[in-house]
Amino acid sequence: GEDVEQSLFLSVREGDSSVINCTYTDSSSTYLYWYKQEPGAGLQLLTYIFSNMDMKQDQRLTVLLNKKDKHLSLRIADTQTGDSAIYFCAEMQDRDDKIIFGKGTRLHILP
Amino acid sequence: DAGVTQSPTHLIKTRGQQVTLRCSPISGHKSVSWYQQVLGQGPQFIFQYYEKEERGRGNFPDRFSARQFPNYSSELNVNALLLGDSALYLCASSLVGRGDSYEQYFGPGTRLTVT
Repeated sequence: GEDVEQSLFLSVREGDSSVINCTYTDSSSTYLYWYKQEPGAGLQLLTYIFSNMDMKQDQRLTVLLNKKDKHLSLRIADTQTGDSAIYFCAEMQDRDDKIIFGKGTRLHILP
Repeated sequence: DAGVTQSPTHLIKTRGQQVTLRCSPISGHKSVSWYQQVLGQGPQFIFQYYEKEERGRGNFPDRFSARQFPNYSSELNVNALLLGDSALYLCASSLVGRGDSYEQYFGPGTRLTVT
């Protein structure tokens, strides 16, 4: 199947870490992505990880990949009000270049 | 550098009409993909074009068609519009096509409303 699953909502206090989780089903996935979408805007590519990697860090963002469990997570350190958005997990499958998206996790920042 | 641009930004059409959406990729990018994002959902893949050839097609009816021009810009056409076609249509560009287009950058989208 072509399913990418993620929880729909996450609330985090400003300054805390946010962890957004995702599971995917296609073992042939080559790249896994995190995109950010702010209200009324297009998608911003935050980061991506190749399927033979376990972890990737980029400033406040850390991506962890457990290929055995087909689980991907995005950790945002020191969450700020500007991080409030919908975060999409996505996978690119080996057989073609289409990207399969989850339904998105809405991150809400509490003061 | 300019990112991916799309036009128009908003569009209102009535059922049965036809619509054409336009996309200009990032300079130097040769591949364009189209996605449909219905409110509250993630984007769904419609087409990918590379070097003016269709390289991938999602599960959309034949009412949806696209093409890519020699300058790598692209148009998405939707005929016989239905209410369910109301969505944000996103264009993404990448440097190359099949097998290596893992960095796809999205435009701001065209919001289509069908009444």
